[in-house]
Amino acid sequence: SQQGEEDPQALSIQEGENATMNCSYKTSINNLQWYRQNSGRGLVHLILIRSNEREKHSGRLRVTLDTSKKSSSLLITASRAADTASYFCATDPTGANSKLTFGKGITLSVRP
Amino acid sequence: AAGVIQSPRHLIKEKRETATLKCYPIPRHDTVYWYQQGPGQDPQFLISFYEKMQSDKGSIPDRFSAQQFSDYHSELNMSSLELGDSALYFCASSFLGTPVSESTDTQYFGPGTRLTVL
Repeated sequence: SQQGEEDPQALSIQEGENATMNCSYKTSINNLQWYRQNSGRGLVHLILIRSNEREKHSGRLRVTLDTSKKSSSLLITASRAADTASYFCATDPTGANSKLTFGKGITLSVRP
Repeated sequence: AAGVIQSPRHLIKEKRETATLKCYPIPRHDTVYWYQQGPGQDPQFLISFYEKMQSDKGSIPDRFSAQQFSDYHSELNMSSLELGDSALYFCASSFLGTPVSESTDTQYFGPGTRLTVL
C-alpha cells in the first residue's frame, strides 16, 4: 500500500493566495518531512515535523500533523510564482536512519 | 553550507552496459541513502548505509550494488542496464548521532544523476 498519499494531485492558484496541500499515510511514523522539487531537479527539504509535534512554522510555511488521523498539511502563505513546483510528503517510520516513503506528489502552479 | 554532491549529473548508457554513480554526503553525516525516481513517479528507496555498513535495503535489483567507503562517500554500481533503469537517482545524507538537533533525521538530497539507458 502507498504511504504518503498527497491531496490534491494538482493545484493552480493566483500569486498572493495561500496553497494548502494534504498528505495521508497508513503506518505509524517518527516524523514526516515535506520536500519541494522543481521539474526534473533535486529534492529540496522544506520542513520536518515529529510525531510529538502538532504544528510547525518556517517562514511562509506552516505544517500540521494529526497522528490520530494519520494526516499532515502544508500551507504556503502569500504564494509566489517561484513556489511553482511539485511537493512531496515523506514519512520516516522510526527516526533511526530509516528510509523515507514518499507519496505521489502535488503539482502546484502559481500564476503571476 | 555544504550540500550532498553527486556525480555525474547526467549519464547516457546503452543496454547491458554498466554504470557507477557517486555520492559525497554532507560532512559529518553518518548515513547515506539512495533513491530512484522514474519519470512522473515518486522517489523509491533503494539502499542505505550507516557508518559504512548497509543499514536497510529496499526494492533494489540484484543487478545493482552499493557500498560506502572509509571517507563516507558512496557508490551505486549498476550492471546489465535495462531501458527501465532510466531514472533520476538521488543520494541523500542525514545525521543520526548526538547531540540531537533540529536537523537530526532530516534527509538532505543531492541534485541527482539523470541516467538514460538507450
